[in-house]
Amino acid sequence: GQQLNQSPQSMFIQEGEDVSMNCTSSSIFNTWLWYKQDPGEGPVLLIALYKAGELTSNGRLTAQFGITRKDSFLNISASIPSDVGIYFCAGPQTGANNLFFGTGTRLTVIP
Amino acid sequence: DAGVIQSPRHEVTEMGQEVTLRCKPISGHDYLFWYRQTMMRGLELLIYFNNNVPIDDSGMPEDRFSAKMPNASFSTLKIQPSEPRDSAVYFCASSWGGELFFGEGSRLTVL
Repeated sequence: GQQLNQSPQSMFIQEGEDVSMNCTSSSIFNTWLWYKQDPGEGPVLLIALYKAGELTSNGRLTAQFGITRKDSFLNISASIPSDVGIYFCAGPQTGANNLFFGTGTRLTVIP
Repeated sequence: DAGVIQSPRHEVTEMGQEVTLRCKPISGHDYLFWYRQTMMRGLELLIYFNNNVPIDDSGMPEDRFSAKMPNASFSTLKIQPSEPRDSAVYFCASSWGGELFFGEGSRLTVL
């Protein structure tokens, strides 16, 4: 079945540093989504990517849809304490309307 | 709109008891999803509905789990009898046009 693997599993960074995380798939996705989950909350959509090679920004966040359609990365520039949380990549199951979620990257920002 | 509303936020129960989790999706959304989140398995899709009709329940762990959506504004996930391995955070999400909006989750602890 479709699987999404994220790396790294966790990151500890100093406030102000840039962050990079990625997501790889065993199969092709036509859409890539990046969600963030704050502690004690549900995931919230950050960025959606719909075309191979697409590079999209949302404030300090930048995400790219890999050319092979089997990977995506998310960058966060100039991290701040409220960036703490778990970041998930997600993609729609082929021929269905549900989402597969990646294994998550847990980000800790040290003030 | 108030977003996806789940109740209870927290539930602690003893093994063998029946547990009912409730969800009110965002008005106008035609898809409703139930996910389970654990440290070991991440976010797993249990079941999803389209226009109140169950579409895919292949993620439901076993017969102890059941979900209903009697109308467009209400869904339940029931576990009977509950077991300690059911301890997790259960999320409800709704969507229209692709983006999933998650509730804050129901944290279940089965002793």
